[in-house]
Amino acid sequence: GAGVSQTPSNKVTEKGKYVELRCDPISGHTALYWYRQSLGQGPEFLIYFQGTGAADDSGLPNDRFFAVRPEGSVSTLKIQRTERGDSAVYLCASSLTSGRDTGELFFGEGSRLTVL
Amino acid sequence: SQQGEEDPQALSIQEGENATMNCSYKTSINNLQWYRQNSGRGLVHLILIRSNEREKHSGRLRVTLDTSKKSSSLLITASRAADTASYFCATDRAQGGSEKLVFGKGTKLTVNP
Repeated sequence: GAGVSQTPSNKVTEKGKYVELRCDPISGHTALYWYRQSLGQGPEFLIYFQGTGAADDSGLPNDRFFAVRPEGSVSTLKIQRTERGDSAVYLCASSLTSGRDTGELFFGEGSRLTVL
Repeated sequence: SQQGEEDPQALSIQEGENATMNCSYKTSINNLQWYRQNSGRGLVHLILIRSNEREKHSGRLRVTLDTSKKSSSLLITASRAADTASYFCATDRAQGGSEKLVFGKGTKLTVNP
């Protein structure tokens, strides 16, 4: 498809397990963002990639969270030793922007993570 | 950290009425954007207004920006039941920041048929 694709759409896991969430951005979009959204809240910034490198990872809550984008396209958000507080919808977005002026973000439908 | 703050948190109106949502922010910005989110779905971009613009229109949407007050408003005219959704403002910081967008908590709009 032409939009941002996220898999899985739903993930239920047990506390302490490892989880990977995948994002396939729109072809040609150099910028890729990960956000986390809890119920009734706005999206909370996690990390932003420009190409293969993480330009800003200041939103990652702790060292259990890590994200990669090895070829400048698909990105994977990795969460180690999951905790119940990690339960949320994880949103990925991509953008054509390469300069300092942030343009329109195109969002995927999100991956809903539930940690039991 | 929270940059944009929308108000009201929730708004309920009748079909055909206008809906106005406000957003306040704290730091200088390059641009401000409004997004819409239907329940359980991803966000959809509505409109972008740059820091040197004061007003912008797109169909039934009208956005204003007052950089002196660090505030913006989104007006939806002649609302429809299909406009029921949450609306978020998002800003990027003009100085010292990266190109990330910071979102507010949103306004939940309900348009009653």
